[in-house]
Amino acid sequence: AQSVTQLGSHVSVSEGALVLLRCNYSSSVPPYLFWYVQYPNQGLQLLLKYTSAATLVKGINGFEAEFKKSETSFHLTKPSAHMSDAAEYFCAVSGTRSGGYQKVTFGTGTKLQVIP
Amino acid sequence: DAEITQSPRHKITETGRQVTLACHQTWNHNNMFWYRQDLGHGLRLIHYSYGVHDTNKGEVSDGYSVSRSNTEDLPLTLESAASSQTSVYFCASSESRSGRSDTQYFGPGTRLTVL
Repeated sequence: AQSVTQLGSHVSVSEGALVLLRCNYSSSVPPYLFWYVQYPNQGLQLLLKYTSAATLVKGINGFEAEFKKSETSFHLTKPSAHMSDAAEYFCAVSGTRSGGYQKVTFGTGTKLQVIP
Repeated sequence: DAEITQSPRHKITETGRQVTLACHQTWNHNNMFWYRQDLGHGLRLIHYSYGVHDTNKGEVSDGYSVSRSNTEDLPLTLESAASSQTSVYFCASSESRSGRSDTQYFGPGTRLTVL
């Protein structure tokens, strides 16, 4: 079984402040982990992914995430928020197989608001 | 540039009607997926396909069907629309079947309202 928990459905930060979006996962096999971003009225697009190489993963637009096995976490950070970062962010885990399907489980999302 | 498109972007229909949502991708990907997005639930998988003539049920498939007659298209049909199927629907595609690290590429979504 696998699951993803995103703490905080809404997060507000000031422009220029640190962004920290939390994601905890559970997986019965070593997981692959993803962060996707969804801008208003658009589909999801990949920010970054962890595939068991480096534990610190750098993505697009200055975001990065660190895989911490001991904490079963994959939190997303950005040192300085920009107005254009306002969006909804989804954490996802790919681990177990269900029948012939490589199961991907998405979290419920965190909406990031950036205050000028 | 390769892309994945969905149509219509918005649809209002009545309970009991049959509705088909279109999804077309030019990535030449083998895998295609349909998800629904509801507040508090994130994305839930409805159906998926690993290639032409291959279709499989996801976790919330009741009341939905798909068919895959070519690589590019995976239409989603609601046989008899219900108010519980009011949602935003996303189509996605990915390249390889066995890749746990596969990125999924998403369309822009279809907002469906069932009255």
